[in-house]
Amino acid sequence: DTGVSQNPRHKITKRGQNVTFRCDPISEHNRLYWYRQTLGQGPEFLTYFQNEAQLEKSRLLSDRFSAERPKGSFSTLEIQRTEQGDSAMYLCASSLALGYSNTDTQYFGPGTRLTVL
Amino acid sequence: LAKTTQPISMDSYEGQEVNITCSHNNIATNDYITWYQQFPSQGPRFIIQGYKTKVTNEVASLFIPADRKSSTLSLPRVSLSDTAVYYCLVPLYSGAGSYQLTFGKGTKLSVIP
Repeated sequence: DTGVSQNPRHKITKRGQNVTFRCDPISEHNRLYWYRQTLGQGPEFLTYFQNEAQLEKSRLLSDRFSAERPKGSFSTLEIQRTEQGDSAMYLCASSLALGYSNTDTQYFGPGTRLTVL
Repeated sequence: LAKTTQPISMDSYEGQEVNITCSHNNIATNDYITWYQQFPSQGPRFIIQGYKTKVTNEVASLFIPADRKSSTLSLPRVSLSDTAVYYCLVPLYSGAGSYQLTFGKGTKLSVIP
């Protein structure tokens, strides 16, 4: 399977714990996006990378959220001191961006469902 | 505040054509409008993308008027397997010369036998 993969698929944690999610994009894709999706809502953009550079992070929900893409390949999203309101599906997408277009075709992974107790 | 608007839900019988419209203000001048399909517990799946006028692929058509303030996804002859949530994705102006990719809230399409 050469699509976008995310691990874990499900994560249950207690309030106050830190969690980290991983996304492996399609291999030749240079852009990687993170979204959060709550029940009944569309995906909410969090941040994105072009290669290893994080080009937009102002939409990260708070300073408890951080993302990295150290070698321009896989990425991690970390949430520190989780709160019950962080419970959601966290989606990753990748794309092959040519130039500086904002609407390259994104291919999504299956998501990581986080439940904070 | 830049936002998109879609109908919350639609019902259709099998075999009918379904049109779902997304309205959006402050769309970026040079970027495309994209539509996605999402099934429960899965990530969104790309359907079609366009800039203006009409685009057609093997599964859908996309109509975008000249002012680009809306777009209409057209699904010909829907089947039960088309029951899903459909989202438009639009780059909207978010202030200070920047644009943010914005998903609509989604339209839940239910196809009835």
